Amino acid sequence: GEDVEQSLFLSVREGDSSVINCTYTDSSSTYLYWYKQEPGAGLQLLTYIFSNMDMKQDQRLTVLLNKKDKHLSLRIADTQTGDSAIYFCAESLSGYSTLTFGKGTMLLVSP
Amino acid sequence: NAGVTQTPKFQVLKTGQSMTLQCAQDMNHNSMYWYRQDPGMGLRLIYYSASEGTTDKGEVPNGYNVSRLNKREFSLRLESAAPSQTSVYFCASTTGTGRYGYTFGSGTRLTVV
Repeated sequence: GEDVEQSLFLSVREGDSSVINCTYTDSSSTYLYWYKQEPGAGLQLLTYIFSNMDMKQDQRLTVLLNKKDKHLSLRIADTQTGDSAIYFCAESLSGYSTLTFGKGTMLLVSP
Repeated sequence: NAGVTQTPKFQVLKTGQSMTLQCAQDMNHNSMYWYRQDPGMGLRLIYYSASEGTTDKGEVPNGYNVSRLNKREFSLRLESAAPSQTSVYFCASTTGTGRYGYTFGSGTRLTVV
């Protein structure tokens, strides 16, 4: 079955780059997503990548996909205190199937 | 504002009581979902509705029922609440094309005592 693994916690200093990692088990996954959850709020879609892509860049965010190793990463450049949140990796087999989420990585950015 | 609206935002129930969590979206999305979020467990799918008129069980459906009232609304019912159902419940919706992922509501924080 599908399974998504993430490290639970990451601490960085303001201005540094953050890299959040995720591994997934289903090689058939078509869509891979990164969501952000701020305290007391719902999940907000940050970015997504299709399985036929290796990299996607969106302003301060860079997503890297290594299909061979089933590894997904999210790099946040020039991390700010406002980036402190829980980040979830998620996968789906197709646009019409349900999402499977990782347990989330808590990012703490210190001044 | 367009999006997914959940009510209520907070609720305290006694064991054995029943209640319905409401969810509505105004984005003309076909698919709707109910997740629960527990510390250390991430998000787990309770039920979903791929389209109006259909519902299916997710990973943790026991103790819950759902109704897809129309294209906009998808409700979650707890018939006899248990302390194990203390959680944060999220409703989400999507077009189903995959490109835009899910849009989430802001959640309902439920405590069963």
